[in-house]
Amino acid sequence: AQSVSQHNHHVILSEAASLELGCNYSYGGTVNLFWYVQYPGQHLQLLLKYFSGDPLVKGIKGFEAEFIKSKFSFNLRKPSVQWSDTAEYFCAVNVMDSNYQLIWGAGTKLIIKP
Amino acid sequence: DGGITQSPKYLFRKEGQNVTLSCEQNLNHDAMYWYRQDPGQGLRLIYYSQIVNDFQKGDIAEGYSVSREKKESFPLTVTSAQKNPTAFYLCASSRWGQGPLGTGELFFGEGSRLTVL
Repeated sequence: AQSVSQHNHHVILSEAASLELGCNYSYGGTVNLFWYVQYPGQHLQLLLKYFSGDPLVKGIKGFEAEFIKSKFSFNLRKPSVQWSDTAEYFCAVNVMDSNYQLIWGAGTKLIIKP
Repeated sequence: DGGITQSPKYLFRKEGQNVTLSCEQNLNHDAMYWYRQDPGQGLRLIYYSQIVNDFQKGDIAEGYSVSREKKESFPLTVTSAQKNPTAFYLCASSRWGQGPLGTGELFFGEGSRLTVL
């Protein structure tokens, strides 16, 4: 069965530190890739997505992610985090032969210390 | 403001009781979804509906039922047959052709937390 792994369940960083959250999936075919974010007290919302083309995609609030097909990875990065980036981040993968289904990672809780 | 409204936010249920969670959207979206979220796990799809009067089972449909009589509404009933119903339930919607196979943008409600006593 397809699965999505987020390696760190909890990450604590200081402001201005660089961020990289890992996401790996287990499927060899064509995929669409997503990062969603849930800020405290808010709805889950789309941060960025990759369908095709440039494997480096940019999202809102300075986030970017790189799709490395050979590593089955879609890691989320931000060069310098802010306190307002404190949130839970979810990676999700849409397997192209699984209609209307996203396979979700377990999420990473990110805490930024001011 | 457009969005998805779930109610109630918190619900307590005795074992053996059915409960219904409400989900209403005013985004004019065709597709709606119910997910379950448990600690340390990703979201799992319970049911989804692409159009009024039609819905499909997701990965964990056993013990749940849904209806889609109106475009705006997609209520979820957690029946007494659901063995482990305590969880956080999320409702989502997307435009036709722009759900997980399209733009991938799902719009979520704030969720309902169900606790079975």
